[in-house]
Amino acid sequence: EDQVTQSPEALRLQEGESSSLNCSYTVSGLRGLFWYRQDPGKGPEFLFTLYSAGEEKEKERLKATLTKKESFLHITAPKPEDSATYLCAVQAMTDKLIFGTGTRLQVFP
Amino acid sequence: DARVTQTPRHKVTEMGQEVTMRCQPILGHNTVFWYRQTMMQGLELLAYFRNRAPLDDSGMPKDRFSAEMPDATLATLKIQPSEPRDSAVYFCASLGTSGAYLFFGPGTRLTVL
Repeated sequence: EDQVTQSPEALRLQEGESSSLNCSYTVSGLRGLFWYRQDPGKGPEFLFTLYSAGEEKEKERLKATLTKKESFLHITAPKPEDSATYLCAVQAMTDKLIFGTGTRLQVFP
Repeated sequence: DARVTQTPRHKVTEMGQEVTMRCQPILGHNTVFWYRQTMMQGLELLAYFRNRAPLDDSGMPKDRFSAEMPDATLATLKIQPSEPRDSAVYFCASLGTSGAYLFFGPGTRLTVL
């Protein structure tokens, strides 16, 4: 069964304190791994798609990496506006995405 | 700025009542998904359609939930009768024919008393 596990569930960082979020997955035939950001009261917003092990993508202070079993979302020198829930999802042979339960990130000034 | 729209944004109802949630996918997107989000379970896929035909509704309680696409611009999710355990945020998302990722709507927050 396709499964996604995210850790930690919650993360509190001081502004400027870099860290990483983990997404481990089991899926039969990975087509893509997705990272989304969700702010309170809003729908998830797309950040990255990774397709193969070794791939990396960056956007501002965020960098996503992928191995055969997990993905990391690295946050470098975070700011309070980076506070949100970060969701990881995998796509197998169909179009549907299977989501993890997310990591709630809080960045304090 | 193309976006997925959902109505209503909030719904409070009493147990046993019928609830209908509506979604307008991005124009030209042919695949529509319904997800439910709770604190405990996170985002769960309920059903999805391609070209208005249901492809997978295995995540949906069949006895009380139904999902349809009357036309390419409207998707509906109905709960009848509603129960307190249905309280959650329901998201619609759409994907284009050559799309790489899902676009999510703002969600409908449902509270069943």
